[in-house]
Amino acid sequence: KQEVTQIPAALSVPEGENLVLNCSFTDSAIYNLQWFRQDPGKGLTSLLLIQSSQREQTSGRLNASLDKSSGRSTLYIAASQPGDSATYLCAVGPSFMDTGRRALTFGSGTRLQVQP
Amino acid sequence: EPEVTQTPSHQVTQMGQEVILRCVPISNHLYFYWYRQILGQKVEFLVSFYNNEISEKSEIFDDQFSVERPDGSNFTLKIRSTKLEDSAMYFCASSWGGSSYEQYFGPGTRLTVT
Repeated sequence: KQEVTQIPAALSVPEGENLVLNCSFTDSAIYNLQWFRQDPGKGLTSLLLIQSSQREQTSGRLNASLDKSSGRSTLYIAASQPGDSATYLCAVGPSFMDTGRRALTFGSGTRLQVQP
Repeated sequence: EPEVTQTPSHQVTQMGQEVILRCVPISNHLYFYWYRQILGQKVEFLVSFYNNEISEKSEIFDDQFSVERPDGSNFTLKIRSTKLEDSAMYFCASSWGGSSYEQYFGPGTRLTVT
């Protein structure tokens, strides 16, 4: 059964810092990995999707990398801003061709606070 | 930009009552999902739906739950007889499928069972 772990659980940084959020998964038979942002009491906003054949994806100040063989992904946020304060969730999608499944398995998230 | 919508945003119900949560997926998407998040816990998969039938469900999705696509736009989750432990945020998601499995999530319905 796939297990997804995110470290750290919480992070507080001053504005302007570059930071790295970590995600690890136990079963490397994945099709893709998505990073989401969740604001308190709100829905999930997709930030980046990395297919299993890719090593990284970039969107603005965000860069996500994937090392499928070691079961790890990182989300790099450059020049953090107070508006980046939220919970960041990592979710892995199973290898559909192997499993016939599409359900995402989520980590518990990293709660980020960027201090002005 | 197209988005998934959900109604209501908050539903309060008494234990034992039936509730229906509604979702409008992105119009050209073919796969639909329900997930839930109990306060302070991980987002958990409930069920996926494709071609008018359930394609996958988790052990949480027991006989108390059902899903339906009553028309060309809506996707609903029904809980037949709610329990206190059904209190959670329920998220609907959709994806186009094929080689792109990115799932787009709605804003959620907060269900409170008293």
